[in-house]
Amino acid sequence: EVHLVESGGGLVQPGGSLRLSCAASGFTFSSYWMQWVRQAPGKGLVWVSRVNSDESTRTYADSVKGRFTISRDNAKNTLYLQVNSLRAEDTAVYYCARESLAAAGISLDYWGQGTLVTVSS
Amino acid sequence: SYELTQPPSVSVSPGQTASIACSGDKLGDKYASWYQQKPGQSPVLVIFQDNKRPSGIPERFSGSNSGNTATLTISGTQDLDEADYYCQTWDTSTGVFGTGTKVSVL
Repeated sequence: EVHLVESGGGLVQPGGSLRLSCAASGFTFSSYWMQWVRQAPGKGLVWVSRVNSDESTRTYADSVKGRFTISRDNAKNTLYLQVNSLRAEDTAVYYCARESLAAAGISLDYWGQGTLVTVSS
Repeated sequence: SYELTQPPSVSVSPGQTASIACSGDKLGDKYASWYQQKPGQSPVLVIFQDNKRPSGIPERFSGSNSGNTATLTISGTQDLDEADYYCQTWDTSTGVFGTGTKVSVL
């Protein structure tokens, strides 16, 4: 069974940093593209970042470009999101999600439970 | 930047059909996915590649995509379908989610 478990969230001051982790199990992690999606309290889903299987392709939402870095360790079956220069508007639940291997289009077939990042002084 | 617009809310009676529209410029030229999210839970994929259902998703969920609009249809809506629904697509390697629709089963 596929499991994605995020960790690393917490309360951080504006300008601070965190490293979010997503431990994957139940599938061949190294074969899948992975993504991060966030959701501010009471708001909608917002796409954050995407990485391919060997990290040669990484893309980011404009709102986080230059501040966030996605990475992965296939030996540890873990996805990461380094979040720097945090702002109040970065406060959200951060979900990691697996891209499906559908023949066309991009969809997210498994999601973790999310980790909450709160940016406040 | 690319935007997807959904109605904030849709109400439906049990057993009736709910349709949720997702509008975006030439959305029909892209693939659309749909996600269901219940309060306090993570999103669940209910439709991918415009009209395909993942394993385990009931047949009452269906999708279409043409022109500028993708549509999620829930036939024979049940109480447990009450949730927020989000469409998603991709534009120039960037993911885009719709604004979300709260489906109320009244």
